[in-house]
Amino acid sequence: EAGVTQFPSHSVIEKGQTVTLRCDPISGHDNLYWYRRVMGKEIKFLLHFVKESKQDESGMPNNRFLAERTGGTYSTLKVQPAELEDSGVYFCASSQGAGASGMTYNEQFFGPGTRLTVL
Amino acid sequence: LAKTTQPISMDSYEGQEVNITCSHNNIATNDYITWYQQFPSQGPRFIIQGYKTKVTNEVASLFIPADRKSSTLSLPRVSLSDTAVYYCLVGLPYNYGQNFVFGPGTRLSVLP
Repeated sequence: EAGVTQFPSHSVIEKGQTVTLRCDPISGHDNLYWYRRVMGKEIKFLLHFVKESKQDESGMPNNRFLAERTGGTYSTLKVQPAELEDSGVYFCASSQGAGASGMTYNEQFFGPGTRLTVL
Repeated sequence: LAKTTQPISMDSYEGQEVNITCSHNNIATNDYITWYQQFPSQGPRFIIQGYKTKVTNEVASLFIPADRKSSTLSLPRVSLSDTAVYYCLVGLPYNYGQNFVFGPGTRLSVLP
């Protein structure tokens, strides 16, 4: 079974440009999460989708960030316009619905991340 | 949110048992303890989760004392491929949203 995939793996853009990151979750996973690690800092939660709905977007840093999840499948995270401080690694994760398959823990499966560099 | 404290780094040799302790003095009654592993250029990967006493799976063991104010991840007979960053997370079992808090983690280096 394919894991969580993210595209691109690396992106280098100039300040003020727009970048769109894509995440394809594991098939059948209702929950999709975005995280990021900026330089020298810890991994931080950005937002959480349940199917196509935003369950929690309390971690989104500002309105330059827009996340969508079309039809409850893949998700995109757009940064417009990008700023220098947006540089970092953006991770996506997915998990099954709560209580699925009798699991007591809704394990999150992470993708490899997209390394974004804003010059 | 329960704050966690772990050693920043640890060194070990192949074949040794490695124990990484995490302190979480203000853990709440319903909080679980979860450990993730992260290799360079990869996303974090779930290792083990527990609530109290001892949990063991094919990868590791997790020891949690009765007061639950700390926990110890035990990796038996480590190999070079166990070199990674290990994160201790404390929170509700599904760890949604802002409750899913990664600290700086422990950077484990396994030497030949």
